Amino acid sequence: EDQLVESGGGLVQPGGSLRLSCVASGFTFTNYWIHWVRQAPGKGLVWVSDINPDGSSTKYADSVKGRFTISRDNAKNTVYLQMNTLRVEDTAVYFCSSGLRSDPNYWGQGTLVTVSS
Amino acid sequence: QSALTQPRSVSGSPGQSVTISCTATSSDVFRYNYVSWFQHHPGKAPKLMIYDVSNRPSGVPDRFSGSKSGNTASLTISGLHTEDEADYYCCSFAGTYWVFGGGTKVTVL
Repeated sequence: EDQLVESGGGLVQPGGSLRLSCVASGFTFTNYWIHWVRQAPGKGLVWVSDINPDGSSTKYADSVKGRFTISRDNAKNTVYLQMNTLRVEDTAVYFCSSGLRSDPNYWGQGTLVTVSS
Repeated sequence: QSALTQPRSVSGSPGQSVTISCTATSSDVFRYNYVSWFQHHPGKAPKLMIYDVSNRPSGVPDRFSGSKSGNTASLTISGLHTEDEADYYCCSFAGTYWVFGGGTKVTVL
């Protein structure tokens, strides 16, 4: 089955760090840009970051620039989101996606990150 | 980074048509014509319904259509089905970042 599976979410204190993982299976991972998109409780979808197929190019939303780092290991079909200096407002479900304009288009079920003291 | 504005909600009866607008605060946001629409049922993964303004991925019913004029993109659902009740988000590539609209709740009366 073609799918993405996120992991690594949890409860962390403000100022702390977490690393999210997004593992792909069933499709040619190295053909795709991979995006992280988040949804805070009761709010809408917000784009966070993306990375190109060979990992040489990355982009970030202004709200996370300098604090989050996206990377990928194509040998492991995995994309990572290293999140440092976490803030209460980073609390959200984090989804990974195989692209925001790709057909076919794959999304994970999300992993919850809670930043709270 | 610029924003995309959507109505908070739209509604219609089964079989009716509804249109959701998505207006860019800056013309640069739609410069690449990479406008997508996602359907999101709470607790589930978002689903791509339209990409590149008006293209439908395989498996998406043809009652979903997209268009763009100037600084406004639109998603039309022609002939509402009860299962179309969901949140819908527009999304666009603005050159160095992607941006989502605030989302529109579609209610099937």
